[in-house]
Amino acid sequence: GQQVMQIPQYQHVQEGEDFTTYCNSSTTLSNIQWYKQRPGGHPVFLIQLVKSGEVKKQKRLTFQFGEAKKNSSLHITATQTTDVGTYFCAGPANAGKSTFGDGTTLTVKP
Amino acid sequence: DTGVTQSPTHLIKTRGQQVTLRCSPISGHKSVSWYQQVLGQGPQFIFQYYEKEERGRGNFPDRFSARQFPNYSSELNVNALLLGDSALYLCASSLWPGTGYLSMNTEAFFGQGTRLTVV
Repeated sequence: GQQVMQIPQYQHVQEGEDFTTYCNSSTTLSNIQWYKQRPGGHPVFLIQLVKSGEVKKQKRLTFQFGEAKKNSSLHITATQTTDVGTYFCAGPANAGKSTFGDGTTLTVKP
Repeated sequence: DTGVTQSPTHLIKTRGQQVTLRCSPISGHKSVSWYQQVLGQGPQFIFQYYEKEERGRGNFPDRFSARQFPNYSSELNVNALLLGDSALYLCASSLWPGTGYLSMNTEAFFGQGTRLTVV
């Protein structure tokens, strides 16, 4: 079945440094979604990527979908303390099933 | 506040007991999905309902069941609770179930979850 893997599991950065998390799928994805979960909170939708090679930006966040649609990345420029949390990628809800990676937990040292 | 409400927020049950968790989706959303999130892991898909019909089921035992009501709210039932069922149970609502709508926005709005502890 579809599996989505994320690396790294944890990332500790100094405030102002950049951060990147990678998501890899065992199968081609029709689309991919990214979510952020703050400590003690629930996942919050960030973005959905659909097209091969697609790049989308949200302020300091840049999302990419690979050409083969089997991998994706989230890059944060100049991290801030408000960026702390766990970032999840999720495969599409085909046949009612969506698969979440285990997330990358980001901590930011002020 | 995402608009998805779940109850209760916290629950402590004894091994072998049964539990019912409730979810009210965002107004206008007809799809509800349930997830189990164990500490340190991503949400694991349990069920999806759309228009009161089950549209998908994850790899969970038959002790887990769910249903969706005419007002699109949903209940998740877990029988014969095990210690390993302790987790955060998340409900997510969306406009569409995702199947067949590849380019449509199927973002899921999550509720705050129910923290279930089995002792």
